[in-house]
Amino acid sequence: KQEVTQIPAALSVPEGENLVLNCSFTDSAIYNLQWFRQDPGKGLTSLLLIQSSQREQTSGRLNASLDKSSGRSTLYIAASQPGDSATYLCAADYTSGTYKYIFGTGTRLKVLA
Amino acid sequence: NAGVTQTPKFRVLKTGQSMTLLCAQDMNHEYMYWYRQDPGMGLRLIHYSVGEGTTAKGEVPDGYNVSRLKKQNFLLGLESAAPSQTSVYFCASNKGQRQETQYFGPGTRLLVL
Repeated sequence: KQEVTQIPAALSVPEGENLVLNCSFTDSAIYNLQWFRQDPGKGLTSLLLIQSSQREQTSGRLNASLDKSSGRSTLYIAASQPGDSATYLCAADYTSGTYKYIFGTGTRLKVLA
Repeated sequence: NAGVTQTPKFRVLKTGQSMTLLCAQDMNHEYMYWYRQDPGMGLRLIHYSVGEGTTAKGEVPDGYNVSRLKKQNFLLGLESAAPSQTSVYFCASNKGQRQETQYFGPGTRLLVL
């Protein structure tokens, strides 16, 4: 079964710290992987999309990497701020699917001021 | 641009009642999706549509029906609501190319008593 796992489920860090969020997927045959941010009571906002041919994508303080051989993606957040507090979800588009994303359960991040 | 909008924002139903959730997008997107989000389960795909007049089942379609009569609208129906359908429902859309991100609506919170 194609699955996406995110560990830990929750994380608290002091402001200014660099941090890494992890995402694991069970099948290396993915087309792309996407990272989303979800604020409480809100919908999802796309942060970064990494195609299977790419190793990483960057946007501002965010950097996402993709290693298909190990089935892992990481989201690196530099110099974290309280405004980064949210739930971060990753989702994999498996090539065997019809463009349907499989979502992880998310990591709830709290950045302490 | 309103993006993806969902109606209603919140609804309480009694077991056995029916209702329709409306999703609208103004981005001329081909693909539209309905997800449900439950604690500890992540987002799960209910139904999706790859174009006007087409629909397909996702991971958890039982108890739901959908229609895509107009390109900009995707309706999710519950014919006979059950407490197990208490959830937050999200609609999403995208252009239909696999390199494209999904855009999410703000969600509909449904409580079935």
